[in-house]
Amino acid sequence: AQKVTQAQTEISVVEKEDVTLDCVYETRDTTYYLFWYKQPPSGELVFLIRRNSFDEQNEISGRYSWNFQKSTSSFNFTITASQVVDSAVYFCALLNTGNQFYFGTGTSLTVIP
Amino acid sequence: EAGVAQSPRYKIIEKRQSVAFWCNPISGHATLYWYQQILGQGPKLLIQFQNNGVVDDSQLPKDRFSAERLKGVDSTLKIQPAKLEDSAVYLCASSLYPDTQYFGPGTRLTVL
Repeated sequence: AQKVTQAQTEISVVEKEDVTLDCVYETRDTTYYLFWYKQPPSGELVFLIRRNSFDEQNEISGRYSWNFQKSTSSFNFTITASQVVDSAVYFCALLNTGNQFYFGTGTSLTVIP
Repeated sequence: EAGVAQSPRYKIIEKRQSVAFWCNPISGHATLYWYQQILGQGPKLLIQFQNNGVVDDSQLPKDRFSAERLKGVDSTLKIQPAKLEDSAVYLCASSLYPDTQYFGPGTRLTVL
């Protein structure tokens, strides 16, 4: 079974706080890709990052960082020093060997000024 | 590079009417997807095209929804007749091959 779980439905933080969005996935494939997308109030899904299953190196891009751990089937996303513009719904997704995409249910992040 | 284009951005119709959405993918992207996103939920795949062939339409309600991708470029998604529960945002995405998907702005459909 293929599945992506984002247990946090809604998170609120005060501006400048750090926040981590959790993503746990389930797949029997050895080759797969993981993604994070941002959906601001405007509605368009914006691609943030892609990771393949063979690359567990963590990645940092500005205030964003991603922690990929195959041992726990997790691909967590941290925003450092959050800003109001980070307020959005964030989706984690899995692309399996069969080229099927699975989206999580999303985490709604609100950054309070 | 131009992104995925969709039109219209908003549509309001009465139930039992028909509606069509249009999508123009990123140039050169062979794979095209249509998703339905109901408020508060994640995107649900309706149909996936590879060039002009259907790869996956297992979640497309074929009694009322249809989609085509003539010439392997633009695509249209049609609903006929619409039901109240079809109110949602319809997202189109494209990718070079089944990989990172790039999304259009979506069409927000309201069925009254």
